[in-house]
Amino acid sequence: DIQMTQSPSTLSASVGDRVTITCRASQNINKWLAWYQQKPGKDPKLLIYEASSSRSGVPSRFSGSGSGTEFTLTISSLQPADYATYHCQQYGSYPYTFGQGTKLEIK
Amino acid sequence: EVQLVESGGALVQPGGSLRLSCTTYGFTFSSYGMNWVRQAPGKGLEWVSVISGSGDVIYYADSVKGRFTISRENSKSTLFLQMNSLRDEDTATYFCVRKEWVGNAPFDYWGQGTLVTVSS
Repeated sequence: DIQMTQSPSTLSASVGDRVTITCRASQNINKWLAWYQQKPGKDPKLLIYEASSSRSGVPSRFSGSGSGTEFTLTISSLQPADYATYHCQQYGSYPYTFGQGTKLEIK
Repeated sequence: EVQLVESGGALVQPGGSLRLSCTTYGFTFSSYGMNWVRQAPGKGLEWVSVISGSGDVIYYADSVKGRFTISRENSKSTLFLQMNSLRDEDTATYFCVRKEWVGNAPFDYWGQGTLVTVSS
């Protein structure tokens, strides 16, 4: 199985900050990487797919990059609505696997 | 509007069984692969199982293989998860999740989840 490792596990940041979350795959997954945002008590929402493609309707401050085994999610200017947990997921082969999540907290 | 609505979560004793359902709306159900993903309290996401649009391709996570059975009824746009021999570690919110079946595709729509608690 492909292991996905996210860092950091928790991130404290202020409104307006630029933040970056990293996701590493244990083997090459090409571009088959998605990022999801999850708020407490809610279902995850797809933000980014194919490592760098934004889903329709996702604010432009969210961007993804990377390929192979190293990926990043960047929020260019943090907004209050962005405080949530972010999950990466590889979907190159089953079993699809997720990172452990990064909780973005208000500083 | 695409909607996925899970039901069937409950408190069940270890060793017991439970059947989850996911009723869907707003898309051609038989054209999509459907997954179950779970999340233990305070933990990350864990993929559980997937079934193709026609039902002929099925995969399971090792953690549930032999105990859980995924199925679908396309005439009713409904997905099921039969869970047997439940363990404490199966306690989680179970999400029904859609994905395009052709090629590599992410999970584009999720249900709100249904809580399964395994405890004596």
